[in-house]
This record gives sequence, C-alpha cells and structure tokens, in this order.
Amino acid sequence: AQKITQTQPGMFVQEKEAVTLDCTYDTSDQSYGLFWYKQPSSGEMIFLIYQGSYDEQNATEGRYSLNFQKARKSANLVISASQLGDSAMYFCAMREDIYNFNKFYFGSGTKLNVKP
Amino acid sequence: EAGVAQSPRYKIIEKRQSVAFWCNPISGHATLYWYQQILGQGPKLLIQFQNNGVVDDSQLPKDRFSAERLKGVDSTLKIQPAKLEDSAVYLCASSLKRGKISGANVLTFGAGSRLTVL
Repeated sequence: AQKITQTQPGMFVQEKEAVTLDCTYDTSDQSYGLFWYKQPSSGEMIFLIYQGSYDEQNATEGRYSLNFQKARKSANLVISASQLGDSAMYFCAMREDIYNFNKFYFGSGTKLNVKP
Repeated sequence: EAGVAQSPRYKIIEKRQSVAFWCNPISGHATLYWYQQILGQGPKLLIQFQNNGVVDDSQLPKDRFSAERLKGVDSTLKIQPAKLEDSAVYLCASSLKRGKISGANVLTFGAGSRLTVL
C-alpha cells in the first residue's frame, strides 16, 4: 500500500487566491510526522511546514497551513494569497518514528501553476 | 549553518560508463539519505545511513549501485555500469538521529546531482 497519496498531479490557481493541495497517508504507528516540501524548477527541495502526530493544533507557517485530520489520515496543505513564485512541485512526506531511526516516505507530488 | 553539499551538480555520461556522486551532510547530522528522483516523480529512497552503518538499502540496485559513508560524515554514491534508466536527479539529504518522539526532525536536502545517461 502507498504510504503517501497525492491525487492531484496538477493544479491551477489564480494569483492572490487560496489553494488546497491534498495528501493522505497510511501508517499504523502512533508517533509520526507529516511534512510538505516545495520543489521549484531549479530542483532544490525546500521544507515548508511540519505537523507532528501528537500536535492538536494545525501547523501554520506564514501563508502555509497544514489541515491535519488524524481520523481521516489526511494532511492537506493550504496556501493562502497565492503568488507567482509559488508555482512549483509540492511533495507531501511522512516520517515514521521507528525505535532507533526515522523513515521518510514521499508522495508523487502536485504541480501547482499560479496564473497572473 | 552550512547546508548539505553535493557534487557534481550535473553529469553526462554514456551508458555502461561509471559515475560517482559526493555528499557532505550538515554537521552533526547522523543520518544520511540518498534518493533518486526521476523527472515528474517523487523521491525514491536508495539507501539510508545512520552514522557509518546502513539502515535501509532495500531499494538500491546492488548489481550496479554502491554507496559508502566512511567515518560517519560524507558519503559517495557510485553507479557502474550506468543504464539509460538511471537518468535522474540524485538527492542527498540528512537529518538528526532520532527514534521515538522525534519532534520536528526535518529532512534537509542538498541541491542534487542531475545525471544524464546517453
């Protein structure tokens, strides 16, 4: 089974509007972390936001927020007030906290295009 | 703090040739990862080191790929002989060693090494 599922290969959003990128995950662990990374065309992977499995509040970082619904095993990224520079690939990732080390799993990504 | 360093940034080789990529993680990061990212796909873990020991190499094609992390610091990933399907970006990443209760143990990536096999 896929550990991370991103069902939107591509998304379009108008500049200054909000957009939600979907992510669902699969784990039987109680302790895990959820991440979103941005990958612009330059290729670097940029960390955006983190949510721990025990965190009760949704994580926020500037214009990014993570809509964490534990029972549904979803961790959607919300970008408010989209900017042209937000055009990039976005990857959802999960970290499983195994006894002595961590394992990270990545989804297949969503390509976001912001239209002027 | 200095980031994850990788070299070379770009490499073009003929099939059946060999290539090596180098990675120097963030100082103090015990865990080092090599990922392969084919165009349009998510990163796929090739090998994970904790200090200088291998934690996971289940998806490493061991007949042609090898990796080492001597002294628990920098690492080299080698491909010999290369195939056309090895064309990809090879991403190195590092993180602090953690087990349970890891907090915001973030994976930090290098800029990647883009390989083209002709």
